[in-house]
Amino acid sequence: DGGITQSPKYLFRKEGQNVTLSCEQNLNHDAMYWYRQDPGQGLRLIYYSQIVNDFQKGDIAEGYSVSREKKESFPLTVTSAQKNPTAFYLCASRETSGSLRGTDTQYFGPGTRLTVL
Amino acid sequence: AQKITQTQPGMFVQEKEAVTLDCTYDTSDQSYGLFWYKQPSSGEMIFLIYQGSYDEQNATEGRYSLNFQKARKSANLVISASQLGDSAMYFCAMREPGRDMRFGAGTRLTVKP
Repeated sequence: DGGITQSPKYLFRKEGQNVTLSCEQNLNHDAMYWYRQDPGQGLRLIYYSQIVNDFQKGDIAEGYSVSREKKESFPLTVTSAQKNPTAFYLCASRETSGSLRGTDTQYFGPGTRLTVL
Repeated sequence: AQKITQTQPGMFVQEKEAVTLDCTYDTSDQSYGLFWYKQPSSGEMIFLIYQGSYDEQNATEGRYSLNFQKARKSANLVISASQLGDSAMYFCAMREPGRDMRFGAGTRLTVKP
């Protein structure tokens, strides 16, 4: 089945540790995204990538890093510089064929819930 | 500036009744896409329905329909015959050409038995 997978589902981190969240898609989508969601809030964009080996900062990139070495994979590292990393993290992907009209649908993975102990 | 506005933090509806979730947006582009997502307590964002700015007819997907009023910049989601499983957060989103998708703050829908 085509889709987006994220792992792990739950992640616990000690203060001062870096952790990496996995996101894999087999939809052959060009663009991939990472969002952060705090309880009762909407989605905020962390990083996005339109093509392999290229990515851009979103609205809240500080304390996070990403890589895009393969089209299918877009891992997110939460570094110790992120002061309040406890949140729900969602990965998404979309085609880019309709990007000039804004019509591409974006699909999401199941999310990773990160808790700092 | 806020691009997507969902003015209803919470809504209640009786099972089997219809409910409308409001969404207004702001853009100066002529071409754009409007989307609705459902987020149940599990957290996954589920795509529900899409409306293109040039689409002349309102989008429909099963029990979901989008009441698109372009002049008012409004894209309300209508859920007919509500079911208990419809209880969730609902997010309205917009994509403008060449830009990232922007989301509203969401509306929590509770379906009462």
